[in-house]
Amino acid sequence: SQQGEEDPQALSIQEGENATMNCSYKTSINNLQWYRQNSGRGLVHLILIRSNEREKHSGRLRVTLDTSKKSSSLLITASRAADTASYFCATDRYGNKLVFGAGTILRVKS
Amino acid sequence: DVKVTQSSRYLVKRTGEKVFLECVQDMDHENMFWYRQDPGLGLRLIYFSYDVKMKEKGDIPEGYSVSREKKERFSLILESASTNQTSMYLCASSLPPTSGADTDTQYFGPGTRLTVL
Repeated sequence: SQQGEEDPQALSIQEGENATMNCSYKTSINNLQWYRQNSGRGLVHLILIRSNEREKHSGRLRVTLDTSKKSSSLLITASRAADTASYFCATDRYGNKLVFGAGTILRVKS
Repeated sequence: DVKVTQSSRYLVKRTGEKVFLECVQDMDHENMFWYRQDPGLGLRLIYFSYDVKMKEKGDIPEGYSVSREKKERFSLILESASTNQTSMYLCASSLPPTSGADTDTQYFGPGTRLTVL
């Protein structure tokens, strides 16, 4: 069953703009991750945020986590055409397994 | 860098055929996973393995089996392929809990797009 649900399903922006994607989940977690998938390829890990963290940065990525609302957001600043991809959140469950959402499709127009 | 490879990028098979999808990782990871990905459904876990010869069912194991004879290799088997198994198949690996690292981070292969006619 899906734990993480991303919003919006699709997002189209101009190069240089910021992109924000949201993820909601249902049960308590130890951590939440974001992955990127370029068209027809495998997923690449972007960032992991633990349940006791509220915000984390990595380059142009900023992730926030609100455990009281069971939600997370991924912000990509100063987007580039190369950021065009699908983005997935994933929450942990027992046994090192992950539950993935359906993803947000981001299109950055140049 | 972790490298996870899958035997084929694209595969076309006929209904009823036995299909083998191979996955190899080069970082000595104990954990390996097979997912299928379908539009609007995200990734769904088929099977996973914590060690050689050890396997457990995921969320959608019906119609699939797996084999892990060596630590680096995890095979997904479709005993009798059906059209509803047309999908993108993704393999992943991760570190064990005892490693002390971010053991929930998974490393993915490039995927195999399987079409069953």
